[in-house]
Amino acid sequence: NAGVMQNPRHLVRRRGQEARLRCSPMKGHSHVYWYRQLPEEGLKFMVYLQKENIIDESGMPKERFSAEFPKEGPSILRIQQVVRGDSAAYFCASSPNGVNTEAFFGQGTRLTVV
Amino acid sequence: AQTVTQSQPEMSVQEAETVTLSCTYDTSESDYYLFWYKQPPSRQMILVIRQEAYKQQNATENRFSVNFQKAAKSFSLKISDSQLGDAAMYFCAYRSKDTGRRALTFGSGTRLQVQP
Repeated sequence: NAGVMQNPRHLVRRRGQEARLRCSPMKGHSHVYWYRQLPEEGLKFMVYLQKENIIDESGMPKERFSAEFPKEGPSILRIQQVVRGDSAAYFCASSPNGVNTEAFFGQGTRLTVV
Repeated sequence: AQTVTQSQPEMSVQEAETVTLSCTYDTSESDYYLFWYKQPPSRQMILVIRQEAYKQQNATENRFSVNFQKAAKSFSLKISDSQLGDAAMYFCAYRSKDTGRRALTFGSGTRLQVQP
């Protein structure tokens, strides 16, 4: 049973470009969470999605950032017109239905904006 | 909103010794989960141990145990017989049982060094 898969592991973008980060949850998991980790800091929640629905996006910047989790395919975190401050590690976690379940993390995507 | 505080940016321990990492949190909820995660240089977030707030008994996983003081809102991690592979960043995290707020709230982390 493959774990949570994130790709790419490393992504370099020039200022103003778009970044697309992908997350394939574990098999049977329908809940996905995105977190951002700035250097030397803890992970900060961005958005929580279930299939085709955004449940909680309270941690996501209102502009330039969007997320989706379609019925088929991976969850996508999209950052438009990237700026240097977007440089960070972005983690995805997934969990199956139910409250009393663990979330399993992917290895993260390190985004560098040059 | 919940907050999680880790007041020790760095800790050091001798191999085979015991070390305790501190964590405090703030919440108005009565039932919730608390976690410790380990993040080695590979960046992978690894769940170390989990505690449910309504359970009085402190969780234990092999060399890892917690001291959960609900009234004091304290959740410390004890690592016994420390090994070189324990060197990593350790994050304390809180999660509500409210189905609409299932995201984890993390502390800022403690970097643990293990001296041979």
